[in-house]
Amino acid sequence: QVRLAESGGGVVQPGRSLRLSCAASGFPLSYYDYVWVRQAPDKGLEWVAHIQFDGSTKYYADSVMGRFTVSRDTSLSAVYLHMSSLKAEDTAVYYCARIMGSRLRNAFYADFWGEGTTVTVSS
Amino acid sequence: QSVLTQPPSVSAPPGQEVTISCSGSTSNLENLYISWYQHVPGTAPKLVIYNDFERPTGIPDRFSGSKSGPSASLGITGLQTGDEAIYYCATWMNTYWLFGGGTKLTVL
Repeated sequence: QVRLAESGGGVVQPGRSLRLSCAASGFPLSYYDYVWVRQAPDKGLEWVAHIQFDGSTKYYADSVMGRFTVSRDTSLSAVYLHMSSLKAEDTAVYYCARIMGSRLRNAFYADFWGEGTTVTVSS
Repeated sequence: QSVLTQPPSVSAPPGQEVTISCSGSTSNLENLYISWYQHVPGTAPKLVIYNDFERPTGIPDRFSGSKSGPSASLGITGLQTGDEAIYYCATWMNTYWLFGGGTKLTVL
């Protein structure tokens, strides 16, 4: 059974760091790309980061470039989002999702999502 | 950067049908692949349509997707109260993901 479970959220002061984890089970982590997507209070879904299946290529939204880093550990079957220099506007529920699709056709979609973990940046 | 535009809300009574549009701002969507997600805030988003019109296993055929030129659409027939959610279109733009602003579906 495919499952993604995020953890690591909490309340953190502006300027501090936090690492989110996404534990994957029911399938081989290394076969897929993954994304982090967030939803700020009363806002829509916003893409944050994307990591390719082999960890070689990573993409970031402009809003988090230089502050957030996505990584994965196949031995622990987990994907991570390390967030630094946190700002109030980073307050959101953070979701990880597995990416399926065709690299040949440049056609991707997120077929399984976790339940999310809440990050609150506040002094 | 491109934007995907969706209407903020749609509503219809149970048993009826709705269509939610998703329009590209700067480019024809023809060469992009649209996926649609159903999201009840506080729960995991759920894929309902991928590759413009394909349905994942377990999604009823009441859900359909289409695309023409600069816009894509999600259709839902035989509306049920359980369909109430926010629906998002999304696409991969080669180096980043674009999400539409979301459309809140109310079944009243």
